[in-house]
Amino acid sequence: GDSVTQMEGPVTLSEEAFLTINCTYTATGYPSLFWYVQYPGEGLQLLLKATKADDKGSNKGFEATYRKETTSFHLEKGSVQVSDSAVYFCAGWSSTLGRLYFGRGTQLTVWP
Amino acid sequence: DVKVTQSSRYLVKRTGEKVFLECVQDMDHENMFWYRQDPGLGLRLIYFSYDVKMKEKGDIPEGYSVSREKKERFSLILESASTNQTSMYLCASSLQSGPYEQYFGPGTRLTVT
Repeated sequence: GDSVTQMEGPVTLSEEAFLTINCTYTATGYPSLFWYVQYPGEGLQLLLKATKADDKGSNKGFEATYRKETTSFHLEKGSVQVSDSAVYFCAGWSSTLGRLYFGRGTQLTVWP
Repeated sequence: DVKVTQSSRYLVKRTGEKVFLECVQDMDHENMFWYRQDPGLGLRLIYFSYDVKMKEKGDIPEGYSVSREKKERFSLILESASTNQTSMYLCASSLQSGPYEQYFGPGTRLTVT
């Protein structure tokens, strides 16, 4: 079935470090892909999305490129801040099931 | 701004009690969802609804039921709470069916003792 696999955490970085969180998908066809972020004590919120191959989603300095050759949608940020500390979820849309499917989440902690 | 509210942030119930978790959205969204979030397991879909009085099972519906009598309100019911239902419960809504953004509430942390 459709699924996403994202790197396990926790990820701990110093402020201004480069961030990559890996996400790969398994699906029939080419699903829309998403990154959601959950800040402490809050629900999830959409960070960025891409709807087709080679699309790049971007928001708040984060980027992810939809690569069908490697079935990947890795999240990157060039210089993380303490305020980026959160749990990040990769997700895909299943047209077969008619709903989103989520990865297990990656906890990011950024130290000053 | 879309707002999804959940009736409680924290809830403590006893084993065997009937538990109601309420969710309300204020943006006339068609679709509503209930997820359960556990460490290491991510989000798992319990039930969702694409219309009033309509419901679909998600990945882990056992031990839960739902009710959607009005478009803006989606309730999750634990008929007889058990300790393995201790978890964070997240409600979400989206405008319509398809790869659209889901808007999440802040969650209810339920503890069953």
